[in-house]
Amino acid sequence: AQSVTQLDSHVSVSEGTPVLLRCNYSSSYSPSLFWYVQHPNKGLQLLLKYTSAATLVKGINGFEAEFKKSETSFHLTKPSAHMSDAAEYFCVVSTGDSWGKLQFGAGTQVVVTP
Amino acid sequence: NAGVTQTPKFQVLKTGQSMTLQCAQDMNHNSMYWYRQDPGMGLRLIYYSASEGTTDKGEVPNGYNVSRLNKREFSLRLESAAPSQTSVYFCASSPLAGGIGEQFFGPGTRLTVL
Repeated sequence: AQSVTQLDSHVSVSEGTPVLLRCNYSSSYSPSLFWYVQHPNKGLQLLLKYTSAATLVKGINGFEAEFKKSETSFHLTKPSAHMSDAAEYFCVVSTGDSWGKLQFGAGTQVVVTP
Repeated sequence: NAGVTQTPKFQVLKTGQSMTLQCAQDMNHNSMYWYRQDPGMGLRLIYYSASEGTTDKGEVPNGYNVSRLNKREFSLRLESAAPSQTSVYFCASSPLAGGIGEQFFGPGTRLTVL
């Protein structure tokens, strides 16, 4: 079975400093991986996705993630945090079945301080 | 193009009451999903529908039923609400291109069962 583990439940960063959100995955095949963001009281928005093309994936709002098969990781980074980045972030893996089911991590809450 | 819409946005029920959560998408997607979100647990799949006329159980189906009314609409019913069903409910849809499950989410329904 496929699963993801988000290594930090909360991350606090200062505005203008780098953001690192860590995600490890477990999969019996070559997975598709996603990062979604959820702002307070909103739905989920896709930040970026990895689908076996380039291992460095660029997303919206300056975020990027690197797929590392040897480390089974898919960490999300941003060079300089903005106040609007305060949100909850979910690392997600495709289960690989024919119906597009996804397995979500528990989420990382990001706080950005001035 | 409204994407995925959900009604209602908020609902308070008493234990034992029933209600139906509505979801519609205008993106001509084949697959639709219902999730619940609880603190520290990410999103968990309740039911999904791979295509019009088919539905299947997800990870946490107990206490829920679904109907795929047509290609656009996928409803979730609580027959006898329980306090354990207090949660935020999200509907999602996917074009399901080759099983790679990028999903598009609605804004959510916040349900409280007293």
